[in-house]
Amino acid sequence: QLQLQESGPGLVKPSETLSLTCSVSGGSISSSNHYWGWIRQPPGKGLEWIATIHYGGNTYYNPSLRGRVTISVDSSKGQFSLQVTSVAAADTATYYCARHLGRQWFDYWGQGTLVTISS
Amino acid sequence: DIVLTQSPDSLAVSLGERATINCKSSQSVLYSSNNRNYLAWYQQKPGQPPKLLIYRASTRESGVPDRFSGSGSGTDFTLTISNLQAEDVAVYYCQQYYDTFYTFGQGTKLEIK
Repeated sequence: QLQLQESGPGLVKPSETLSLTCSVSGGSISSSNHYWGWIRQPPGKGLEWIATIHYGGNTYYNPSLRGRVTISVDSSKGQFSLQVTSVAAADTATYYCARHLGRQWFDYWGQGTLVTISS
Repeated sequence: DIVLTQSPDSLAVSLGERATINCKSSQSVLYSSNNRNYLAWYQQKPGQPPKLLIYRASTRESGVPDRFSGSGSGTDFTLTISNLQAEDVAVYYCQQYYDTFYTFGQGTKLEIK
């Protein structure tokens, strides 16, 4: 059974960089048919897609976040990562990593990690 | 970007009854080359990640009870939950993948009346 697990700091100071990693187990991150994405959810609010990557290197970003966000993949470790620069209070959210099936729907999700932006 | 608007924002339905949630897209998500609608539905229970219920507007994900059904095409879609059970209390989201700027509806909160 495929499992995804987010990891990273739960508290980040404003203007700093948020860094998260998603570890994939029970399956290969190097599948040609799968893409890997990050979605976030502010407390009490809805879902916002952030970015998607394929192990081959193709990346896709939410235009509203482009310029602050970088997604990367380390196939040798079975991990993909997210960096968000110049964070502000509005970036406080639960961050989920998920698998895209063929860059379409998200069929597997991690449990999510709450990141709070505060000094 | 494609905007998805769900209605209602919340609803309360009696156990055993039917719940209907709508999702309207700002543009068609029907891919003409394969006649597939690029729309999915998710269920999110408190403290849990979203769970995929439906993809291609009407195809149930493996293991999802057949009480859940999706319908619609183009810009108008519906998620129907028949014979509502207590465990169906959740927030439901639609999501389009027609555009690689993936977007979700704002969510519909389903409660028991």
